[in-house]
Amino acid sequence: EAQVTQNPRYLITVTGKKLTVTCSQNMNHEYMSWYRQDPGLGLRQIYYSMNVEVTDKGDVPEGYKVSRKEKRNFPLILESPSPNQTSLYFCASSHGFVSPETQYFGPGTRLLVL
Amino acid sequence: AQSVTQLDSHVSVSEGTPVLLRCNYSSSYSPSLFWYVQHPNKGLQLLLKYTSAATLVKGINGFEAEFKKSETSFHLTKPSAHMSDAAEYFCVVNTDTGRRALTFGSGTRLQVQP
Repeated sequence: EAQVTQNPRYLITVTGKKLTVTCSQNMNHEYMSWYRQDPGLGLRQIYYSMNVEVTDKGDVPEGYKVSRKEKRNFPLILESPSPNQTSLYFCASSHGFVSPETQYFGPGTRLLVL
Repeated sequence: AQSVTQLDSHVSVSEGTPVLLRCNYSSSYSPSLFWYVQHPNKGLQLLLKYTSAATLVKGINGFEAEFKKSETSFHLTKPSAHMSDAAEYFCVVNTDTGRRALTFGSGTRLQVQP
């Protein structure tokens, strides 16, 4: 089944404790992206990657890092989480050339930073 | 700048009656527009998309939307609501074709009464 998977689905952590949220897609998509969803603000893009080893900032990149060493994986790294990063995070992917505007989303990761 | 406005935060209908979820867009060029649905504790699923082909777009589960340039609208409709349609619906515009950033509306929660 074609899908985007994220792990963990739920995470409670404390301020300053580094964490990584993994994202993997099995559709051979070139493009991947991370969003955060906050009440009343919709989804906002954090980082995106057009292909392996190519990443760039979205609208709200502060406090986050990403890497794209393999085509299928795009982990989101919070080096020193803070309470304002409590949110619902979505990973998305799309094909490079066939319907590139259509993004497929993972199930989301709900993060609480105490 | 591209943006979308969802005119209703909550819509309640009876099962078997029509559904209308309203969305207006603002764009300096011909936009790509989408409707996504989010069921409770689930990820985002693409319902349908408009990418400058036919103005009447048919999606999954009996939903359709009509792109009206003169009214800058992209309303989502369904002739007959089902209990399983209860969810949150997001109107989305492709904000930045370079980084494929999507701008989400604030969402409309659809409630279906038996």
